[in-house]
Parts: sequence; C-alpha cells; structure tokens
Amino acid sequence: QITLKESGPTLVKPTQTLTLTCTFSGFSLNTTGVGVAWIRQPPGRALEWLALIYWNDDKRYSPSLGSRLTVNKDTSKDQVVLSMTNMDPVDTATYFCAHVQAVAAYFSYWGQGTLVTVSS
Amino acid sequence: DIQMTQSPSTLSASVGDRVTLTCRASQSIGSWLAWYQQKPGRAPKLLIYKASSLESGVPSRFSGSGSGTEFSLTISSLQPDDFATYYCQRYNSYPWTFGQGTKVEIK
Repeated sequence: QITLKESGPTLVKPTQTLTLTCTFSGFSLNTTGVGVAWIRQPPGRALEWLALIYWNDDKRYSPSLGSRLTVNKDTSKDQVVLSMTNMDPVDTATYFCAHVQAVAAYFSYWGQGTLVTVSS
Repeated sequence: DIQMTQSPSTLSASVGDRVTLTCRASQSIGSWLAWYQQKPGRAPKLLIYKASSLESGVPSRFSGSGSGTEFSLTISSLQPDDFATYYCQRYNSYPWTFGQGTKVEIK
C-alpha cells in the first residue's frame, strides 16, 4: 500500500525559505521509473505542479518558479525534501506530494497535503 | 507552455443527470491527459488516465474521451458523491499543467 505524507511549518514569514518533507511508504526511490512530485493549491484555486524527482536523481521544476525551488531525495529515509526560497504571501497554499511513474506521469497516490501560510 | 482550459467553470446539475466536462489544450498533447476529482479539504483523486483509461476502483459511470486538443469527462448518471471539482492534467511534456477546474454543484 502506497502512502505519502507531507510535513513542515504551517507558517512562514515573507522572504524566508520553506522546507517541506514528503515521507512515503509502499515504494522505493531506488526503483527504476519511480518519482515523487510536488503540487500546490492556493486556497480556492487550481492545482499547480511544482517539481519532480526521479529514482535516478533526474529533477524537473516549474519554469514559473525559476530558481526558487530545489528538490532532493533521501532514499535511506524514504523521504523527498522540497525547498522554496524567498516566500511571499502569494505562496500561501496547500502543498501536496504525489507518487509518479516515468512511463505514466499522472498521480495515482497523493499525500493529504499541508497548508502553508506566508505572513509576517 | 501548453495551457489547459476547462469549461464550464461551474456546472449545476441534478442527481441522475448525464454531465460532460470539457478540457482543451492550446496545442496537441496526444492522449496524455488525466482527470481528477477533488472534494473540499481533500487531495485530488485520479479518475481517468491516458484520456480514456479508467483508474482501478473508479465507478464505471465515469468515462473519458478525446485526443489531440479536445477532451471530455462524462458522468453518465450523476450521484450525490460526485458533486466536487474536477481537474484535467496534461503530462505529455514538462511543465505538467492542470486546468483551472470545473465545479459540479447541485442544481
């Protein structure tokens, strides 16, 4: 059974760096073709794909967020970490992580999401 | 980037109605499209992948069709549990993008 769960701060100040952790079970990031993606959703708005890391350490980022994003994996802990620099109130959103496969890049399994508010 | 446009933004319908939601891509994406259902406070749930393949465990009243730039999600007989927001997502190339969503509400 595949499960994912996001963790991290619920409140960050403007200009700070957000660090979120996705802890998963039921699969391994050592397995060929497996990846973990990050998606966010501002309150009342649509979903936005942010970043992706694959088993082979291939990383992809949303161009709209440029160099603000970094994603890394820790296969020994079954975790993926997303960092987003220079947080702004418009980054207030629920952040989800999701399991993805390279040959089928849709999201069958999602974490419950974590709401991050950016406010001074 | 390839943009995804969903219509309508809101759809009012009754239990038992047949409803069709549309998703259009700004350029061809083949059949690399997924549909999700999302209820308030919950993570999205995958319904359809590769435009028309039904995810395991999803009721057969849901169906997807289309290719290229025009796609649709049909619910053959709307059930009380189906009132939610529906999103399409393309995954033919990076960056993956979602549509803005269609909210299906009770008429």
